[in-house]
Formats: sequence, structure tokens, C-alpha cells
Amino acid sequence: KQEVTQIPAALSVPEGENLVLNCSFTDSAIYNLQWFRQDPGKGLTSLLLIQSSQREQTSGRLNASLDKSSGRSTLYIAASQPGDSATYLCAVPTGGGNKLTFGTGTQLKVEL
Amino acid sequence: ETGVTQTPRHLVMGMTNKKSLKCEQHLGHNAMYWYKQSAKKPLELMFVYNFKEQTENNSVPSRFSPECPNSSHLFLHLHTLQPEDSALYLCASSQAASGGSSTDTQYFGPGTRLTVL
Repeated sequence: KQEVTQIPAALSVPEGENLVLNCSFTDSAIYNLQWFRQDPGKGLTSLLLIQSSQREQTSGRLNASLDKSSGRSTLYIAASQPGDSATYLCAVPTGGGNKLTFGTGTQLKVEL
Repeated sequence: ETGVTQTPRHLVMGMTNKKSLKCEQHLGHNAMYWYKQSAKKPLELMFVYNFKEQTENNSVPSRFSPECPNSSHLFLHLHTLQPEDSALYLCASSQAASGGSSTDTQYFGPGTRLTVL
């Protein structure tokens, strides 16, 4: 059974700092990995999707990497801003189709 | 703002009540999903509908009854719930839920915060 773990569970950083969020998964036979953002009381917003054939994907200040063999992905956020404060979730497809298994998330707070 | 809407946004109900959650997507997608998000637990997939047909029931208790009358609408009918069913219920949609290496991103609604007394 696929298990997805995210470390740390919570993180507080000063504005402007670069930071890394971690995601690990137990079954490396994945087609892709997605990173989502969830703001309090709201749904999820897809940030990046990395195909299994890719090693990284970039969008603005966000860079996600994928190492299938080691079962790990990282989300790098450059020059963090208070607006980046949210919970970040990673997810992998499981069992075919588009069923996603999610991690428990990292709650990020960027302080002024 | 996403193209997936959910109503109501908040719901408080007793264990003997019957209520329904509604989800609507305006993205022209063919697959819709129900997820449950409880405190301190990962999102759990509940149901998947692909072209109006249920393709996944993740061992969900029968007190939760989904309905998908068309590709744009998804309902979750609730009956005799338990306090432990209190959670955020999220709806999502994607182009399709085909087997194999689907790369379709799922688009989520804002969720319904359900409290069962």
C-alpha cells in the first residue's frame, strides 16, 4: 500500500528565506507526483505536476524535483513571501486511473 | 477562483438528519471525485465517477451515498452520520479518470465543512 509522508509537519520562516519541503513515498512505481497548496478553509490548488520521466519542474519561484528511485520529492520555494503561507500537500497516483494518495501536508508560515 | 463550486460551505447536522452536499464543475470535465479531509489525517479518496459511472468506492460506509446525474454535477447524500464523520468534504474534477498513466490535474472545490452533533 502506497504511503506518502511529508516532513516537516509545520515550518515558520522569515520573509525572504529560501526553503525546502520534503515528500517521500514508499512505492516508487508512480506515473507522476503533484504538489498542491491549500489555504485555510479552502480547497486545493495544483502547483506543479512532475512526470515520472522528469527530474524537476519549475513555476515562478517554485521548483519541484523528483527522485523515483529513492522515493523522494522536494518543493523548493525561493524568496518566500507572507502570501506563501499555506499548507502544501504532495500526492501520487495509486492503483491506476487518477486516484491520488496524499501526504499529511506541511503547514508553512512566512512571517514579516 | 476554481471552476468547481460546492454548497453548502458549512453544515451542522444531527445524527438522525438527512442532508446532501452538492458539487458542480464548469470545466467540461468527465471525472468527479469526493474526498474527506479530517484533522491531522491525509485526504482520503471516497468515490470516483467517470462519465457518470461510479468507478471507485473506497470502502465508504453506506451512510454516505453518492449520486452523479451528469458529468457536471455530483452529490453526496448523508444519512444517520456519526460524530467521527465531521470533516471537510472536498469535491474535485478532472478531464477523465482513465487507467494507466493519466496525467490529468484534479481541480478542487472549496469544500463543505461538516459538523455532526
